[in-house]
Amino acid sequence: AQSVTQLDSQVPVFEEAPVELRCNYSSSVSVYLFWYVQYPNQGLQLLLKYLSGSTLVKGINGFEAEFNKSQTSFHLRKPSVHISDTAEYFCAVSESGGSYIPTFGRGTSLIVHP
Amino acid sequence: DAGVIQSPRHEVTEMGQEVTLRCKPISGHNSLFWYRQTMMRGLELLIYFNNNVPIDDSGMPEDRFSAKMPNASFSTLKIQPSEPRDSAVYFCASSSATSGSLVEQFFGPGTRLTVL
Repeated sequence: AQSVTQLDSQVPVFEEAPVELRCNYSSSVSVYLFWYVQYPNQGLQLLLKYLSGSTLVKGINGFEAEFNKSQTSFHLRKPSVHISDTAEYFCAVSESGGSYIPTFGRGTSLIVHP
Repeated sequence: DAGVIQSPRHEVTEMGQEVTLRCKPISGHNSLFWYRQTMMRGLELLIYFNNNVPIDDSGMPEDRFSAKMPNASFSTLKIQPSEPRDSAVYFCASSSATSGSLVEQFFGPGTRLTVL
């Protein structure tokens, strides 16, 4: 069975600074990887996903993530954050060829200060 | 498309009362998921349906919880009787196994349940 670890529960950062949100996963088979964002009082929405191909994945709102198979990581990055990026970010993994049901991490709260 | 629709958005009830949460998935999606989100436990999958059939309900916490999907456009999650520890945000999500993005889930806005 797969599992996901988001190493930071909270990441404070100043506006226009770069940010990296870390995600590591565990699985015995090939995986699909996702980052979702949850703005206050809203449901989760997909930021980006890795299914296959290029290990660098670009998503919405200027975010990107890199799949590193040897390190079993899928860290999320943005070169310059805005106040509006303040939200909860969830990493998720599902096993290819399986039920496609994702396992979610506990989430990382990104707090952008002016 | 209106996206996944959940009702009510907020529910406040007293311990012992029955609570019914409702979900309308995105038209054409054939998988539906119920999640619960709390500070303590994060996002938990309670149950999911494929083509209106419950596939895995191992996440349902106890017999007080039940879920149904009578047709492709409607699902309910019922708690009877409710307890204060059921207070949480309940999300419904749907996905399609017929498109290229079969593995992406689309979430509703959630129902915030408070049991007093």
